[in-house]
Amino acid sequence: KQEVTQIPAALSVPEGENLVLNCSFTDSAIYNLQWFRQDPGKGLTSLLLIQSSQREQTSGRLNASLDKSSGRSTLYIAASQPGDSATYLCAVHPITGGGNKLTFGTGTQLKVEL
Amino acid sequence: NAGVTQTPKFQVLKTGQSMTLQCAQDMNHNSMYWYRQDPGMGLRLIYYSASEGTTDKGEVPNGYNVSRLNKREFSLRLESAAPSQTSVYFCASSPTGVGTEAFFGQGTRLTVV
Repeated sequence: KQEVTQIPAALSVPEGENLVLNCSFTDSAIYNLQWFRQDPGKGLTSLLLIQSSQREQTSGRLNASLDKSSGRSTLYIAASQPGDSATYLCAVHPITGGGNKLTFGTGTQLKVEL
Repeated sequence: NAGVTQTPKFQVLKTGQSMTLQCAQDMNHNSMYWYRQDPGMGLRLIYYSASEGTTDKGEVPNGYNVSRLNKREFSLRLESAAPSQTSVYFCASSPTGVGTEAFFGQGTRLTVV
């Protein structure tokens, strides 16, 4: 059974710092990996989708990498801002099991302080 | 751009009551999903519908039923609510094809007392 782990569970950094969030998964048989942002009391906003054949994707200050063989992904946030404070979730689309179902990690709660 | 819309946003039920959570998407997606989010557990799939007219169980289907009313709408029903069903429920949709990007609604926060 696919399991997705995100460490650390919480992270606090000063404004302006570059930071890396980690995601690991146990089964490398995936179609892709998706990073989401969740603000308190809100839904999930898709940030980046990396196909299994890709190594990385970039959107603005965000860069996500994928090493499928080792079961790892990182989300790099450059020049962090207080507005980046949120919970970041990663999820994989497993090849086994059918459908288009996502398996989620439990998230990293990020706080960027002034 | 409405995307995925869920109603209601908040609900309090008494044990044994029933209710239906509504979800609609305007992106012409074929696939729709219901997840629940609990502290420390991550999101878990309850039911999904790969296309109009089909539904399948996910990881935690017990105590729930679903209806894919048409291509736009996918509802989740709790027939006899239990305190263990206190959670935040998210509806999502995605285009046809495996590994396509999923889009989520704003969630329904349900408390069963």
